[in-house]
Amino acid sequence: QQPVQSPQAVILREGEDAVINCSSSKALYSVHWYRQKHGEAPVFLMILLKGGEQKGHEKISASFNEKKQQSSLYLTASQLSYSGTYFCGSIQTGANNLFFGTGTRLTVIP
Amino acid sequence: EAEVAQSPRYKITEKSQAVAFWCDPISGHATLYWYRQILGQGPELLVQFQDESVVDDSQLPKDRFSAERLKGVDSTLKIQPAELGDSAMYLCASSSGTQGRNSPLHFGNGTRLTVT
Repeated sequence: QQPVQSPQAVILREGEDAVINCSSSKALYSVHWYRQKHGEAPVFLMILLKGGEQKGHEKISASFNEKKQQSSLYLTASQLSYSGTYFCGSIQTGANNLFFGTGTRLTVIP
Repeated sequence: EAEVAQSPRYKITEKSQAVAFWCDPISGHATLYWYRQILGQGPELLVQFQDESVVDDSQLPKDRFSAERLKGVDSTLKIQPAELGDSAMYLCASSSGTQGRNSPLHFGNGTRLTVT
């Protein structure tokens, strides 16, 4: 039930771009994305509810391919504040509970 | 901005002792979740409430864990007896809407449990 994320970790220089992927073996109703900084609670970024939907949040956007049961998070022109661990959460079709992925640790350096 | 309140912030207990965590969700949020997060891993759902009813507790180790939300507002998660493997961050979250499917989760700051 837990979605799988890749990569597990990535290091970027300020201004560089990154893509984080999230995939599930089950048909998905929706995908959530959260960012968690060290020692803090996860913070909501966005929800994608429809297949093929793309949403944006500042310079962070995401897509959801329902057929492939995948979602990708795009971070463009990264800033130091983007550092943290990114989690996707998936809700399967016909279900109501949110299962979080394995996490991707993103580090942005000057 | 309204927040999810959790207490205590930190808890150290000896194995075989009982421990309890409290959560007060954002006012008006019908859905409440308890997650356990082991260091370096994603949050693992333990139990989900819709108002005072349990929607999903399939991942809750029921031989030692219990959760309640008697009046559909605040909630308590209990562990008895605690084991060394229970050391983790316990996160409470709430969301609005029907069972939270289309709504973001708002997390509290968590309770860091250490079992010695």
